Amino acid sequence: DTGVSQDPRHKITKRGQNVTFRCDPISEHNRLYWYRQTLGQGPEFLTYFQNEAQLEKSRLLSDRFSAERPKGSFSTLEIQRTEQGDSAMYLCASTREGGYTFGSGTRLTVV
Amino acid sequence: AQTVTQSQPEMSVQEAETVTLSCTYDTSESDYYLFWYKQPPSRQMILVIRQEAYKQQNATENRFSVNFQKAAKSFSLKISDSQLGDAAMYFCAYRSPIITSGTYKYIFGTGTRLKVLA
Repeated sequence: DTGVSQDPRHKITKRGQNVTFRCDPISEHNRLYWYRQTLGQGPEFLTYFQNEAQLEKSRLLSDRFSAERPKGSFSTLEIQRTEQGDSAMYLCASTREGGYTFGSGTRLTVV
Repeated sequence: AQTVTQSQPEMSVQEAETVTLSCTYDTSESDYYLFWYKQPPSRQMILVIRQEAYKQQNATENRFSVNFQKAAKSFSLKISDSQLGDAAMYFCAYRSPIITSGTYKYIFGTGTRLKVLA
């Protein structure tokens, strides 16, 4: 097992475009979390999946954001009509019973 | 709601010396978990140390130890014999027990950037 993988590592997009990020968790981890980290801040919770069910969404997750975890394996996070304020590092973490394993993140820059 | 505060945006330490990073938190819960995570320039967060609130004994992992003061809601990290590889952002994090929250969601502080001087 190579840990939690996130793709792409970096994404530059023009304002108004849609972007999608992917997270592949550790295979036996049934819980998957998305966090957003802006410069000078700690990670902020976005959403949480237990298997394929999305059980919690932060108020930070506006209606332009959608996340899925089909079949309880990999997860995708899509941002529609990106805005400059969406520029951040998007972190994925997976766990089975509490201890997180983080991915390396996807850095999004909206120009 | 729980909050985590790291009041030191940046700290410096001489190689081989000891440094302490501060963290305070606010909660009304009596049972919870506290963590220190390290985020090197490569950006992958790595767990440094964890502390269960019901344990009075301070956690220790090699050169890393914590000073957990439950009544004061303080959770500082001490790094002994600092090495160049310790240079990173350090985040303090709080987690409620899953039996009460239903989730392993973390609340992070804003981080402390640690510089290690050769």
